[in-house]
Amino acid sequence: ETGVTQTPRHLVMGMTNKKSLKCEQHLGHNAMYWYKQSAKKPLELMFVYNFKEQTENNSVPSRFSPECPNSSHLFLHLHTLQPEDSALYLCASSQTSAGELFFGEGSRLTVL
Amino acid sequence: SQQGEEDPQALSIQEGENATMNCSYKTSINNLQWYRQNSGRGLVHLILIRSNEREKHSGRLRVTLDTSKKSSSLLITASRAADTASYFCATDATRGYNQGGKLIFGQGTELSVKP
Repeated sequence: ETGVTQTPRHLVMGMTNKKSLKCEQHLGHNAMYWYKQSAKKPLELMFVYNFKEQTENNSVPSRFSPECPNSSHLFLHLHTLQPEDSALYLCASSQTSAGELFFGEGSRLTVL
Repeated sequence: SQQGEEDPQALSIQEGENATMNCSYKTSINNLQWYRQNSGRGLVHLILIRSNEREKHSGRLRVTLDTSKKSSSLLITASRAADTASYFCATDATRGYNQGGKLIFGQGTELSVKP
């Protein structure tokens, strides 16, 4: 138990569906992140939020839309995805400037 | 291009042996971190070494950092079957006050420890 909870753990969706991934952290951290992990590729940083403000968007396609309503919750809204978007999506949190990330267990996404 | 690159990509050893994994990076860093990931699970932080440190220990883990060569190594001593996992280095090159850590991960080393 890392203090970061992701739901759902598994998601299968068609290319025309709209779904959302949810992340909640119970650690009192101020920064939250979305990473994408595809097979045989390094983790890719997607978005960074500090104190609810987006501070990093790593050239992510607009079919991925993040939302951070408060410092404890982070969403990734998905629409019109492609099969190559199938991956493990990992949420993490940290204290600003502390460096160490605490990861959730990930949401395994399959796009048909 | 990615910041950290691990070597080897895969490592298979017997229980009780030591495992050494290496990481190279390209730009100046604030710190370098090592993480572990069991198959299909989230990453777990193992150890952080700051740019002004050269060596750090945590239990059976020993990490070294050579900023002149832009490289780090992770040594796991007396390995166990439960150490089987993927190990990633991550570099923190965050700039700016009060910013969350912007960690860039390498491709990882898959370690297999056979009983």
